[in-house]
Amino acid sequence: GAGVSQTPSNKVTEKGKYVELRCDPISGHTALYWYRQSLGQGPEFLIYFQGTGAADDSGLPNDRFFAVRPEGSVSTLKIQRTERGDSAVYLCASREGGDQDTQYFGPGTRLTVL
Amino acid sequence: SQELEQSPQSLIVQEGKNLTINCTSSKTLYGLYWYKQKYGEGLIFLMMLQKGGEEKSHEKITAKLDEKKQQSSLHITASQPSHAGIYLCGADLGNSGYALNFGKGTSLLVTP
Repeated sequence: GAGVSQTPSNKVTEKGKYVELRCDPISGHTALYWYRQSLGQGPEFLIYFQGTGAADDSGLPNDRFFAVRPEGSVSTLKIQRTERGDSAVYLCASREGGDQDTQYFGPGTRLTVL
Repeated sequence: SQELEQSPQSLIVQEGKNLTINCTSSKTLYGLYWYKQKYGEGLIFLMMLQKGGEEKSHEKITAKLDEKKQQSSLHITASQPSHAGIYLCGADLGNSGYALNFGKGTSLLVTP
């Protein structure tokens, strides 16, 4: 079946602009995660959704970052007033929802802030 | 700060050679995941380990979790160019919703 998909694959924007990154999880997966990966680093947790609600947003770096999942499927990560330090690969993962189920990752969105 | 330490940071091996990558935590690993990453392809799931002493194999890749559940190793037998990539260990350290902490990754290059 289809895996996790993310769009766009690449996004180049200017400092101060607003961006939206989209994630389509595997059908039926109730848990959805956003991670951020900087060059040479492992992914770092940003936010976790169980269904429609953000169950844990402790990884969001500041209030410029926000994510939604209004219907419990597709999720959008929104970044306001982008800064050069926001440049990274943003990864989305989904999990079926049972204990210790595997997280499956999408290909990521490479964000570059000029 | 990284709660998972991976070693080595990078590895170059000749095709056909065996290799081992290690992942160490100062905390108990409730679940340990190994992923492989290639540019533009996100993370590809390899294996998950949960129980102390557990060992799993898939094709030429074997992963083990030690009895104390604080260290895991990934072993590749008779490496091939297709094994090249970045290997990441991710761990459930008791986080909300099973969110994973990751090591920095081990970059593997296999030369002919």
